Amino acid sequence: DIVMTQSPDSLAVSLGERASINCRSSQTILYSSDKKNYLAWYQQKPGHPPKLLIYLASTRESGVPDRFSGSGSETDFTLTISSLQAEDVAVYYCQQYYTTPRTFGQGTKVEIK
Amino acid sequence: QVQLRESGPGLVKPSQTLSVTCTVSGGSINSIGYYWTWIRQHPGKGLEYMGNIYYSGNTYYSESLKSRLTISVDTSLNQFSLKLSSVTAADTAVYFCARDAFGVNGYPIDSWGQGTLVIVSS
Repeated sequence: DIVMTQSPDSLAVSLGERASINCRSSQTILYSSDKKNYLAWYQQKPGHPPKLLIYLASTRESGVPDRFSGSGSETDFTLTISSLQAEDVAVYYCQQYYTTPRTFGQGTKVEIK
Repeated sequence: QVQLRESGPGLVKPSQTLSVTCTVSGGSINSIGYYWTWIRQHPGKGLEYMGNIYYSGNTYYSESLKSRLTISVDTSLNQFSLKLSSVTAADTAVYFCARDAFGVNGYPIDSWGQGTLVIVSS
């Protein structure tokens, strides 16, 4: 199975400041035939299911604010919240869908400083 | 917009079988390319991929659960289900059903149910 490792486990950021979460996969998730990275980012708030934010490493899902962006390739990826808002307090997960089983990072809890 | 809704027992006794059903609405479970998935989340923990099923009945089970897990589909009811046998307290979790687009148009797991908490306790 591909192991996904996120860092940090938690971070506290002031409102309006930038938050960055890193995700590393134990092997490449760049599909050679189409040159796409099969990496997704989800946001989960308490009592709710995960919500898809980013797919293919950098494509924002419809309706997701543009302060959320994804970057990276092969094994190293980053989710950036450019200007943290109060409603962004949540746990964020990366997930690879290059192969089955889909595997998730352990989650990063984002809080307000 | 496809919607998924889990229905489960809430409480299961140790050694019994846990059963949860997911009802799909707003879309067909027969849709080509989509896999119907079970994911669980232990209290305060991360997300564990349990397995999936295609409308044809083809299944994938995680190695850690495959001896106890059965996933089935009922296309006539637009439902899919999981059965987990010989449960212990370690199976206490929120069980989510989800749709895995399996890369269709580049999409990952793109729709989730709200989740149902199943507690294993005597």
